[in-house]
Amino acid sequence: DAKTTQPNSMESNEEEPVHLPCNHSTISGTDYIHWYRQLPSQGPEYVIHGLTSNVNNRMASLAIAEDRKSSTLILHRATLRDAAVYYCILRATNQAGTALIFGKGTTLSVSS
Amino acid sequence: DADVTQTPRNRITKTGKRIMLECSQTKGHDRMYWYRQDPGLGLRLIYYSFDVKDINKGEISDGYSVSRQAQAKFSLSLESAIPNQTALYFCATSDPLQGAGTDTQYFGPGTRLTVL
Repeated sequence: DAKTTQPNSMESNEEEPVHLPCNHSTISGTDYIHWYRQLPSQGPEYVIHGLTSNVNNRMASLAIAEDRKSSTLILHRATLRDAAVYYCILRATNQAGTALIFGKGTTLSVSS
Repeated sequence: DADVTQTPRNRITKTGKRIMLECSQTKGHDRMYWYRQDPGLGLRLIYYSFDVKDINKGEISDGYSVSRQAQAKFSLSLESAIPNQTALYFCATSDPLQGAGTDTQYFGPGTRLTVL
C-alpha cells in the first residue's frame, strides 16, 4: 500500500490560515487522497477527498500537486475547534469498503 | 441526533468477563466496521460487515467476535476480556453506493474500555 508522510505536529493562531502537508511519493494513479480529523475524545470525521484536481468544501480545501506526490489540506481560518489530529489517507479504487489505514497524523494546535 | 451511536461510552470491567459493545446507525448504510485505537497509535480494524449476512475478520480479530443483528446494528463482544484489550473502540459505517475509492466512513463517538 502506498504510504503517507505527515509532520507530527503544527501550531497555528486563531483566524489564520493553516496548511497541513502530506507526502505520498508512491501514490498510484487510482489512489484517492482522503483527509480525516479526530477531535479530542471523538471519533474520526471525514474532511475532504480528491483525485487530481483541487477540491473545496465547507470545511477545507485540498490542493493536490500536479505530480500527485504531495497534497496540502488548507483550513482558511483556523478556529479553536479545529485543534485535532489530521490524517492523510490514500484509498485505491479497489479498496471501497475496506479499512481506513490511519497513520499517526499531524496534531494541530490552535492558539487564541 | 447522532447518526452513529455507541453504547456504553465508558466501561470498566475485570479480566475474564464477557463484555458487549453496541453500535447503532440511522444512516441506512450497509457497511459497518469496528476499530480499536490505542494511545499514540492509529485505528486498527477488528471486524467488518458488508451486510447482515456478511461478516469479515480484520487485522486484529483474535479475542473478539461480532454480531450483525440488523442493517442498523453491529455488536462487538470480548469473550474473555484481558488487560491488553483496554482501548478506545470505534464503530463506523459507509455507503457502498458512493463509489470505489471515494466511500466515506462515518464514525461513532467511541467506547472507552478498561480491563482491570
